Amino acid sequence: EDQVTQSPEALRLQEGESSSLNCSYTVSGLRGLFWYRQDPGKGPEFLFTLYSAGEEKEKERLKATLTKKESFLHITAPKPEDSATYLCAVQVRGTGTASKLTFGTGTRLQVTL
Amino acid sequence: EAQVTQNPRYLITVTGKKLTVTCSQNMNHEYMSWYRQDPGLGLRQIYYSMNVEVTDKGDVPEGYKVSRKEKRNFPLILESPSPNQTSLYFCASRLAGGEQYFGPGTRLTVT
Repeated sequence: EDQVTQSPEALRLQEGESSSLNCSYTVSGLRGLFWYRQDPGKGPEFLFTLYSAGEEKEKERLKATLTKKESFLHITAPKPEDSATYLCAVQVRGTGTASKLTFGTGTRLQVTL
Repeated sequence: EAQVTQNPRYLITVTGKKLTVTCSQNMNHEYMSWYRQDPGLGLRQIYYSMNVEVTDKGDVPEGYKVSRKEKRNFPLILESPSPNQTSLYFCASRLAGGEQYFGPGTRLTVT
């Protein structure tokens, strides 16, 4: 069974204090790994897609990396507006699985002044 | 504006009373999905559709039905809702290989 585990469950940072969120996965064959940001009461917002080990993508203060077993979302010099829940999801290879995404339970990030 | 819309946004109903949550997208996406989100369990896929008249079960399809008669619409039907279907529901759509866009969510309470 495909599994996605995110850690930590919650993270509190001071403004400017860089850190990383982890997403480890166990799947039969990875088609893609996705990172989303979710604000309270809203739908998830797409951040990145990673397809192969070694791939990296950046957007403002966020950088996502991928290995064969896990992905990291690095947050550099975070600001209070980066406070949100960050979700990781995987899509696996195989017939009929093109639309199946398995999500982790998320990391709730709070950035304080 | 490219978007996924859901209606209603909030719904309180009673056990056994059939309901439909509508979902519509204006991006001409082939793929559409329904998810439910519960504390501690994360987002779980209920059903998905790869195109008109093509649907398949996700991880938690029991108690739900869907239909895809038009490309833009993907309604979620609860024929006989039960309290364990109280949850936050999201519709999503994407192109093949593309990023997934989520709707704003529907908070359903079944008493």
